[in-house]
Amino acid sequence: RKEVEQDPGPFNVPEGATVAFNCTYSNSASQSFFWYRQDCRKEPKLLMSVYSSGNEDGRFTAQLNRASQYISLLIRDSKLSDSATYLCVVKGSSNTGKLIFGQGTTLQVKP
Amino acid sequence: DAMVIQNPRYQVTQFGKPVTLSCSQTLNHNVMYWYQQKSSQAPKLLFHYYDKDFNNEADTPDNFQSRRPNTSFCFLDIRSPGLGDAAMYLCATSRDLGDNEKLFFGSGTQLSVL
Repeated sequence: RKEVEQDPGPFNVPEGATVAFNCTYSNSASQSFFWYRQDCRKEPKLLMSVYSSGNEDGRFTAQLNRASQYISLLIRDSKLSDSATYLCVVKGSSNTGKLIFGQGTTLQVKP
Repeated sequence: DAMVIQNPRYQVTQFGKPVTLSCSQTLNHNVMYWYQQKSSQAPKLLFHYYDKDFNNEADTPDNFQSRRPNTSFCFLDIRSPGLGDAAMYLCATSRDLGDNEKLFFGSGTQLSVL
């Protein structure tokens, strides 16, 4: 079983739609969680951290469910510019700095 | 201005010919990482430096080596590239190793092996 699992998609949605991605992780001791965005042939960029209480940044909402070991990302009012791959990232329990990336979920927003 | 700089953007090498990828940072971060990302796959950590301390991942092949001569620079050496080593190589930094430390990535070097 992969340490971080995501549905690779692609998710094809029209502009203005709401779309949600889930990610599951295997290590129950994981401490930190992030969503990164990666455009085609570019480097990953931090989209947002994920906090236990859930957090929102504009049209983006991230939630963490420790009991079920999954993280979600909700995008409201999708824009064409949201088209990208969204990487779920989990940090382990030890202070090693090791971030484990999921395969990514590809989103394609259509006009 | 770019804070984590990788050169070159594209690198072509021959099967078995040693190649070196470079990374520099202007952030004065303690930690520098090298990730390998193959097409449609997750970035995979090869190793990282905390200051001068080298930390190799258990499944990183011996073919991959790294050097960090000073805080600003870190190199990835592939001693004998195989066709399976063709990938995007991403350098990243973080200020420290705390739980909420964020990674700052360079733009990557796309390596082709002929």
